[in-house]
Amino acid sequence: GAVVSQHPSWVICKSGTSVKIECRSLDFQATTMFWYRQFPKQSLMLMATSNEGSKATYEQGVEKDKFLINHASLTLSTLTVTSAHPEDSSFYICSASGRASGGETQYFGPGTRLLVL
Amino acid sequence: GENVEQHPSTLSVQEGDSAVIKCTYSDSASNYFPWYKQELGKRPQLIIDIRSNVGEKKDQRIAVTLNKTAKHFSLHITETQPEDSAVYFCAALQGGSEKLVFGKGTKLTVNP
Repeated sequence: GAVVSQHPSWVICKSGTSVKIECRSLDFQATTMFWYRQFPKQSLMLMATSNEGSKATYEQGVEKDKFLINHASLTLSTLTVTSAHPEDSSFYICSASGRASGGETQYFGPGTRLLVL
Repeated sequence: GENVEQHPSTLSVQEGDSAVIKCTYSDSASNYFPWYKQELGKRPQLIIDIRSNVGEKKDQRIAVTLNKTAKHFSLHITETQPEDSAVYFCAALQGGSEKLVFGKGTKLTVNP
């Protein structure tokens, strides 16, 4: 149980375009979803926390107008990187938690590798 | 806020040996401590977790110990195998929050 999917797995785009990444909890209702960014050989950096039906809470230093997060249902959250630039290239990973998954336990999606040219 | 320190950053052991990774945390209100294993290019996978009402938890070759007084917790892997090679992250749930704060990771290499 507690399976989280993420789509797409990788994306290459031109500078200035927007990219949408989807995160889905497949077998449980995710009351909370988290978006992380991970640079090579580094730890997971939390970008924002989103609860279904409410606005996301962004971490300090993360531009909310740059990284738009929508958590429209208990199984889907989306991250849109607006006007992407090469410095936005990174590995983006979502995670989800919910009562059925163990409350505070977070299960991670497979990640999306973004390359902005 | 919570701060999690993890040591060592790299660890190399021979197959069959034990491996120990240690983490300390700063927030005395933290009460949940998961460990994740991340293979290159893959998602972090939960391998074991412990809550603050328990001092030790074991699952086959993996065990975690927690010392609330000293604010540290450790991952123990016995009889290591080459497939245990990965980066391991400890984390602590920030008190009064849903957020996990991660350590910087330990790259474990198990040599055949």
